[in-house]
Amino acid sequence: DAKTTQPNSMESNEEEPVHLPCNHSTISGTDYIHWYRQLPSQGPEYVIHGLTSNVNNRMASLAIAEDRKSSTLILHRATLRDAAVYYCILGNTGTASKLTFGTGTRLQVTL
Amino acid sequence: DAGITQSPRHKVTETGTPVTLRCHQTENHRYMYWYRQDPGHGLRLIHYSYGVKDTDKGEVSDGYSVSRSKTEDFLLTLESATSSQTSVYFCAISESGVYGYTFGSGTRLTVV
Repeated sequence: DAKTTQPNSMESNEEEPVHLPCNHSTISGTDYIHWYRQLPSQGPEYVIHGLTSNVNNRMASLAIAEDRKSSTLILHRATLRDAAVYYCILGNTGTASKLTFGTGTRLQVTL
Repeated sequence: DAGITQSPRHKVTETGTPVTLRCHQTENHRYMYWYRQDPGHGLRLIHYSYGVKDTDKGEVSDGYSVSRSKTEDFLLTLESATSSQTSVYFCAISESGVYGYTFGSGTRLTVV
């Protein structure tokens, strides 16, 4: 499986935008880029995914580099409730697909 | 979490005893997964299922077995629990196997 590299931790001030980077230099043409987050004492929750084009939803935006070797999850206005571990994962279509989680980026949000 | 339930939520068991964790879904999703989470390791896949009676191993399957006799239930069994299996176990479901996994609330298992 192709691997991703994320910073161990990041900090942000509340109500400011947050850009969470992810490197995936060995991504294949069929790999989707997925982002999940895990709030304290909870299971992970889906945030967003994309293949080639930038994606937006109510939670976040996903910016994908033109060569697809990196991507950035954008939280437009961080709140204290966004403090979590954010996972960037690659996964492709195919029989019995599965997602492999790394250790993610721990985001701290302060007042 | 809507549509997915794990039981029990907490369990303490003794070394050498068998333990079964249950994941139940009401979404009729084809794919189901068992992960474990330990400090410093993130989530690691134990086993997964891509249909009734269709299962396969993940990266940390030793010491675990699974069964899926119907769409809605995916059971994880520790045949003889060891202290190294003390962990938080998460079940996940997915309709496509690729997008939008939904995770359960987790089972905290302590083996003493």
